[in-house]
Formats: sequence, structure tokens, C-alpha cells
Amino acid sequence: EAGVTQFPSHSVIEKGQTVTLRCDPISGHDNLYWYRRVMGKEIKFLLHFVKESKQDESGMPNNRFLAERTGGTYSTLKVQPAELEDSGVYFCASTQTGGSTEAFFGQGTRLTVV
Amino acid sequence: QKEVEQDPGPLSVPEGAIVSLNCTYSNSAFQYFMWYRQYSRKGPELLMYTYSSGNKEDGRFTAQVDKSSKYISLFIRDSQPSDSATYLCAGGAGGYNKLIFGAGTRLAVHP
Repeated sequence: EAGVTQFPSHSVIEKGQTVTLRCDPISGHDNLYWYRRVMGKEIKFLLHFVKESKQDESGMPNNRFLAERTGGTYSTLKVQPAELEDSGVYFCASTQTGGSTEAFFGQGTRLTVV
Repeated sequence: QKEVEQDPGPLSVPEGAIVSLNCTYSNSAFQYFMWYRQYSRKGPELLMYTYSSGNKEDGRFTAQVDKSSKYISLFIRDSQPSDSATYLCAGGAGGYNKLIFGAGTRLAVHP
């Protein structure tokens, strides 16, 4: 069974540009989470989808970030326009049953804004 | 104050040593605690989770929680070079709620 897959693995963009990150959760997992780790800091929660609905988006930094999960399958996280402080590693996790204790993480997308 | 505090290390030990990794937390709403292992350029991989105070053992790994002092630990026995990674502790308030992570401790086990 495929795990959580994220695309791209690495993205380098210029300040002001737009970037879209994609996460494919484990098939059948209704719960999908986005987390982010910026340099030297801990991994922090961004938002939580249940199927296509946003359950908790309290961690989204500002309105330059837009997350979608159309159809309740894969999710995208768009940053527009990107700023230097958006650089970091963006992780996606998914879980079906067992709550967050059984969350499986993807390998992350390393975003570098120059 | 951070909800989960973790010494970032690095921690360097010889092969075969017992490793002790620790975190403290401040959120009394946490119902469960997790330990993740993260290799370089990889995503966090769940090692263990526990709901209550006490010990939970899985092979060479033992997770310990003391809710009265808000202290969680991970012990690794007979450490191996393959254990070299960053270890992350996290707390959760239950259900499908978000996880709150510590900063991670980088561990190096040298032969």
C-alpha cells in the first residue's frame, strides 16, 4: 500500500512567485493534515481536512496560504505570493481511524524562497 | 512558553549505550504523547505513542510518561548506528486534533 506522497520534493522559487504543493494521502484516509517546519523551529500545524471540509485551519499563517481538497482525495497548498519567511519543509499527514495517534507523514516538500 | 519543550542536542553516544531523550509539556489537555523518528530528508516516522502515565515498551524502545510532572521520555537500549536520527516528541489533545511537536533532538550513535 502506498504511503502519503508529496510533490514536489523540493521547490526553489523567487519571492513574489506562486507555488503549489500537493499531497496524496493514503487511500481511504478521510483526515488530512498539513504541517510546516521552518529552519530551527519545531514542526507546526497548519490545517486539518476531514474529507473536503476544513476542520481546523487555526495554524495557517496568513491569507497568502490557500489549502484545498476537492473531492476529498488529494490536497493542494498554494502560497501566493511567496515570501522569504515561507521557506521550510511542508509535511502532509493522513489518518483514517485511531485519530492522530495513527497519523502517517509524507516525506515533505522543501520550499526555498529566494 | 512553548507547549512542548525538547532539548535539540546534538546528542552523541557510542554504539550499545542506553539513550535517554526527554521532553516537558505545559498543556494539561494533552491526552496522548508520541515519539517520532526522522531521518535526514525524510518525513517523521511514528515510533511509539502512549495515553497514560507509566511505561510502554516496544523492543529496544521504552516510552515513559509522568503526567504529574508533565515529563515524557524515550529510552533506547543497545543503541545502534542506524538509530542516528532526529527524535521528535509530540502531544495531542485527543481524537483527530492536531499534534504539538517539540523541536526534536538530534542523536548520533557512533560505532
